[in-house]
Amino acid sequence: AQKVTQAQTEISVVEKEDVTLDCVYETRDTTYYLFWYKQPPSGELVFLIRRNSFDEQNEISGRYSWNFQKSTSSFNFTITASQVVDSAVYFCALRGDKIIFGKGTRLHILP
Amino acid sequence: KAGVTQTPRYLIKTRGQQVTLSCSPISGHRSVSWYQQTPGQGLQFLFEYFSETQRNKGNFPGRFSGRQFSNSRSEMNVSTLELGDSALYLCASSLSVDTDTQYFGPGTRLTVL
Repeated sequence: AQKVTQAQTEISVVEKEDVTLDCVYETRDTTYYLFWYKQPPSGELVFLIRRNSFDEQNEISGRYSWNFQKSTSSFNFTITASQVVDSAVYFCALRGDKIIFGKGTRLHILP
Repeated sequence: KAGVTQTPRYLIKTRGQQVTLSCSPISGHRSVSWYQQTPGQGLQFLFEYFSETQRNKGNFPGRFSGRQFSNSRSEMNVSTLELGDSALYLCASSLSVDTDTQYFGPGTRLTVL
């Protein structure tokens, strides 16, 4: 069975601090895809990144970076120098046959 | 390109009624998926359509159904509404299935009284 765990339900940090959102997954598939989405208060999920199971290279996009470690089945997301606009709920998702979402982490960036 | 659009954005119904939600995918996308989001259960997969065929289905009762048209637009229907069906219903489209990234619409917020 597939499973995605985002153990951090809610995180609050002060603006400009770095913050890491954890994602741990379970799957028996050898080929799978991992995603991160952002859901601002407006409700629409915004795609951030997609990573396939054969590509363990870390990725950086501006203030965002992702660390994929197959050995620990983790796909963590770090925001560097956080800003108030980063406040949102962040979802990690795993796609094999179907797509499974974690419960999400609500991130509050305090000014 | 226009994004995924969903209509209506808000809906209020009473128990026992039925409701139809509509989703128009990004132009060129042939796969449409539906999700239910509630505070308690989070994001749950309802079903996925590709080329007018249901390809995958989540663990929801038969009151939840959907269909996809030849232009890739999709509708989902919920019959005999229950209070627990109150949720944000999200539609997502992708070029194809399996590996493709899904892009989400703004959702339809359904309230059942």
